[in-house]
Amino acid sequence: EVQLVGSGGGLVQPGGSLRLSCAASGFTFSSYTMNWVRQAPGKGLEWISYISSNGSTTYYANSVTGRFTISRDNAKSLLYLQMNSLRAEDAAVYYCATVAGGTGGWYTWGQGTLVTVSS
Amino acid sequence: EIVMTQSPATLSVSPGERATLSCRASQSVTSNLAWYHQKPGQAPRLLIYGASTRATGIPGRFSGSGSGTEFTLTISSLQSEDFAVYYCQQYYDWPLTFGGGTKVEIK
Repeated sequence: EVQLVGSGGGLVQPGGSLRLSCAASGFTFSSYTMNWVRQAPGKGLEWISYISSNGSTTYYANSVTGRFTISRDNAKSLLYLQMNSLRAEDAAVYYCATVAGGTGGWYTWGQGTLVTVSS
Repeated sequence: EIVMTQSPATLSVSPGERATLSCRASQSVTSNLAWYHQKPGQAPRLLIYGASTRATGIPGRFSGSGSGTEFTLTISSLQSEDFAVYYCQQYYDWPLTFGGGTKVEIK
């Protein structure tokens, strides 16, 4: 079964850092691009970052550029999101998503991990 | 940045009725458009990609159409499990962007 399991969320103070992880299973992780998407409480979906299958190409939303870094470890089938200089507006459920499992579009999503930014 | 605008914000429909949701892009995204729906407390689920191709496992009552800047998602006969929030997303250019969503609620 193709599956993504996110972890690493929690409560962090403004200005702090957090690293999210997304563990992949059931597919050849190194063959697929990956994305992070977030959803603030009661709000819509916001794409925040992309990484190519070999990690050589990354893209970010303007709202997180310079503060967040996406990376991956293909040997361990793990996707990461390093979040620095966190702000109140970064509080959200963070999802990892991929095409794997389907034939187009983001077919497989993680269950989401909650990040709370508060003093 | 390509802005995606969905309408209406809320759509009240009776079970068994047809629902038509719209999505407009601020510039052409050709056919690089996907539709997702999301129920409370759950991750989004892919319905349509390439503007009109149903994702694996999605029933035939869901259909997508359009290209360029105007897109439509049609649900031919709403079932109870279809009441949710629907999002369109363009993947033509960076940054990738979602519409604000259409909530389909029971009338």
